[in-house]
Amino acid sequence: QVQLVESGGGLVKPGGSLRLSCAASGFTFSDYYMSWIRQAPGKGLEWVSYISSSGSIIYYADSVKGRLTISRDNAKNSLYLQMNSLRAEDTAVYYCARDFYGSGSYFDSWGQGTLVTVSS
Amino acid sequence: DIVMTQSPDSLAVSLGERATINCKSSQSVLYSSNNRNYLAWYQQKPGQPPKLLISWASTRESGVPDRFSGSGSGTDFTLTISSLQAEDVAVYYCQQYYTTPPITFGQGTRLEIK
Repeated sequence: QVQLVESGGGLVKPGGSLRLSCAASGFTFSDYYMSWIRQAPGKGLEWVSYISSSGSIIYYADSVKGRLTISRDNAKNSLYLQMNSLRAEDTAVYYCARDFYGSGSYFDSWGQGTLVTVSS
Repeated sequence: DIVMTQSPDSLAVSLGERATINCKSSQSVLYSSNNRNYLAWYQQKPGQPPKLLISWASTRESGVPDRFSGSGSGTDFTLTISSLQAEDVAVYYCQQYYTTPPITFGQGTRLEIK
């Protein structure tokens, strides 16, 4: 079955960096667009970024543009999010999710999430 | 950007009763060429990731109980739970995928047992 497992979260100081990973299994990873979606504590869902199946098309939310970088390694069935210049408002659970239809559509599979806390 | 607004923010319904959650988009998410509404619904239980319930406004995902149904078109949509069960306590989100990026979600509706 489809499985997405995030890792790499933790406590980081403002201005610091972190790299999140998402290991995918149970499906042909290279066939699907993938997204990162975050949820601040007690808040709703915020889409962060998506990447096409080949990695050639990438989009970001305005709130993270220039600071977060999405990438993927289809040979390793892995999705990544490099997070730089982190701010307190980036504190959230970060989910990787499979985009079922492609080109930024709906998400039929989600990981359990990894918590990023930005605090001094 | 398309703004998604859900109502109410929270809802308390008795077991076995009907629960109705509304979602309104700031512009139509109906694509006229295929007559499909680019709207999805998710359920999120405490401590869990969201789970896809419905896509294309009314297509229930495999394994989702048939007490869940989605309706609406254009800018106004509804998620209905026909007979509330205890396990349906959750936060529900709508999401549009008509115009992306950005992909946008409603603010969520918290459903509780009365």
